[in-house]
Amino acid sequence: EAQVTQNPRYLITVTGKKLTVTCSQNMNHEYMSWYRQDPGLGLRQIYYSMNVEVTDKGDVPEGYKVSRKEKRNFPLILESPSPNQTSLYFCASSWTVRETQYFGPGTRLLVL
Amino acid sequence: AQSVTQPDIHITVSEGASLELRCNYSYGATPYLFWYVQSPGQGLQLLLKYFSGDTLVQGIKGFEAEFKRSQSSFNLRKPSVHWSDAAEYFCAVVPFSGGYNKLIFGAGTRLAVHP
Repeated sequence: EAQVTQNPRYLITVTGKKLTVTCSQNMNHEYMSWYRQDPGLGLRQIYYSMNVEVTDKGDVPEGYKVSRKEKRNFPLILESPSPNQTSLYFCASSWTVRETQYFGPGTRLLVL
Repeated sequence: AQSVTQPDIHITVSEGASLELRCNYSYGATPYLFWYVQSPGQGLQLLLKYFSGDTLVQGIKGFEAEFKRSQSSFNLRKPSVHWSDAAEYFCAVVPFSGGYNKLIFGAGTRLAVHP
């Protein structure tokens, strides 16, 4: 089954404790991206990757890091989480940014 | 400023009634246009998309959207709403300029359906 998986689905952490949210896709897609969803703001793009080893900032990259060492994986790293990073996070993949994005189920993060 | 606007935060309709969700964009050239739906507790799913050609686009689940260049709009419609259509709907664009690789979402419209 074609899918995008994210782990964990739910995470509660404390300020400053580094965490990683994994994202994996099995569709051989070139383009992958991370979004955060906040009430009243829709989805905002954090980082995107056009292909392996090529990543770039989205609209809200501050406080986040990513890496794309393999085509299928695109982890999101919060080196020092803060409460304002409490949000619902989605990973997505597609052939290109102009093609249909396939979204993961989301990761709900609470930073205390 | 370049943006995607969904003027209606919440809409409530009765089951069987028609539906129109509004989306306006402000970009110099016509962007690539999308509508996504997010059912409660789920990820997002593409309903339909417009790149060029016929301005009336058919999508899944009985939805359609009409692109109007003069109004910079891409409104989503459905002639008869079902209770299962209750969800949040997002308009999104990829601006049409060389090298632009971002997908930009509107704030969303939450649809409630009364029986």
